[in-house]
Amino acid sequence: DIQMTQSPASLSASLGETVSIECLASEGISNSLAWYQQKPGKSPQLLIYGASSLQDGVPSRFSGSGSGTQYSLKISGMQPEDEGVYYCQQGYKYPYTFGAGTKLELK
Amino acid sequence: EVQLQQSGAELVKPGASVKLSCKTSGYTFSNYYMSWLKQMPGQNIEWIGNIYGGNGGTGYNQKFKGKATLTVDKSSSTAYMDLSSLTSEDSAVYFCARLQLRSYWYFDFWGPGTMVTVSS
Repeated sequence: DIQMTQSPASLSASLGETVSIECLASEGISNSLAWYQQKPGKSPQLLIYGASSLQDGVPSRFSGSGSGTQYSLKISGMQPEDEGVYYCQQGYKYPYTFGAGTKLELK
Repeated sequence: EVQLQQSGAELVKPGASVKLSCKTSGYTFSNYYMSWLKQMPGQNIEWIGNIYGGNGGTGYNQKFKGKATLTVDKSSSTAYMDLSSLTSEDSAVYFCARLQLRSYWYFDFWGPGTMVTVSS
C-alpha cells in the first residue's frame, strides 16, 4: 500500500497568516493527490484534486502544489473558518490511502 | 445539487451484521462509482471499497474483504454496505462518498456519515 505521511501533525496560525501542510507519498503518485478539510462531527470536504486544481466553491486562498512524491497545501491568509483537520489522499493506486491528518487551529 | 443521505446510527451486538444505506440525488447514479470509507474516533480515514452504480462492479481494499459487501439498487439510486461478524474494531463512522474521475480519482461529495457502535 502507498503510505501518505503528513506534516506537521498540528499547527496554530494567526489571522491572515499563510500556512503550509506537507504530504509525502511512499512512491510516486503522478499528481493523483487530493486535499480535504474536516470539521468536528462533519464529513470531509474536497478542497483540491489533481494536486493543484481547486474544487468549485472553494476559496482561492487555498492552493495545492507538488509532484512525484511530495505535495503541499497552502492557505494564503488564515481565516477563522479554516480551523479543522486537513487530510491528503492518493487516488493513484488501490487501496486509496489517506494521510493521518493535520489539525489547524487559530492562534 | 448532489446529495448523499445516509441511514441513522446503529447499535449492534458483537457477532451481528448491519446494513448501511446511502441514498443519492442530484446526479445520474449509474454513471459513477460510490465509495465507502471508515473513520474510527479521532483516527485516520480508511477506504473500504468502490461499487459502480451502472453494473454493480466492485473493488475492495484487501483489509475489508470478507468484512464489507457493497451493493446498489439502481431503481432507487441507493448504495448499500453490509458489515458482518462485527467486533469492537468495527465501531466507527462510515461515510459514503462519490468517486470522481477528472484525470485523477478523488471523492467529490460525501454523505454525513453513519455511526456504528458495536457493544453488548
